[in-house]
Amino acid sequence: AQSVTQLGSHVSVSEGALVLLRCNYSSSVPPYLFWYVQYPNQGLQLLLKYTTGATLVKGINGFEAEFKKSETSFHLTKPSAHMSDAAEYFCAVSKGEAAGNKLTFGGGTRVLVKP
Amino acid sequence: NAGVTQTPKFQVLKTGQSMTLQCAQDMNHNSMYWYRQDPGMGLRLIYYSASEGTTDKGEVPNGYNVSRLNKREFSLRLESAAPSQTSVYFCASSEGATIYFGEGSWLTVV
Repeated sequence: AQSVTQLGSHVSVSEGALVLLRCNYSSSVPPYLFWYVQYPNQGLQLLLKYTTGATLVKGINGFEAEFKKSETSFHLTKPSAHMSDAAEYFCAVSKGEAAGNKLTFGGGTRVLVKP
Repeated sequence: NAGVTQTPKFQVLKTGQSMTLQCAQDMNHNSMYWYRQDPGMGLRLIYYSASEGTTDKGEVPNGYNVSRLNKREFSLRLESAAPSQTSVYFCASSEGATIYFGEGSWLTVV
């Protein structure tokens, strides 16, 4: 079975400060890992994904995440927060296309950006 | 480019009523999914369809049925709605490793 734990349901950062959202996973097979962002009353938008290869993954809007197998982590970072980053962020894991691409999500982290 | 389209966007039901959420994708994807989103729980898989003509249960299938009408359409039916089914429902489709989500359907059961 897969599971995802996101540490902190709410994070508050100042505009211009580092954004760090933590995600730890468990998986019985090499995982595919994802970060999605959800703006109020909207669907989920893919920020970035890790499938294989380079462990540092760059995504949209200046976000990046690093897959660390030894720590079973896939933390999301952005060097400098912008007001438009206020949203809810979800980490998710799957076993890949061969297993149906079924995602298991973490509980989400809501980001508040202070001016 | 419509992507994944869900209808209706908002619905209020009385306990015991039935309804169907419709979903269509225009990306020619084989796999389609229905998730529900509840506060603090992320999204949980209700049903998925790996290809036209096949459906399988996900993590929380009780109280729901699905139909994969053709490659484009995947509907979710609540036969007898309960207050516990008040949630936001998301349809999704995938080809390869990336999953694309619709805009969501807000359902309230009173």
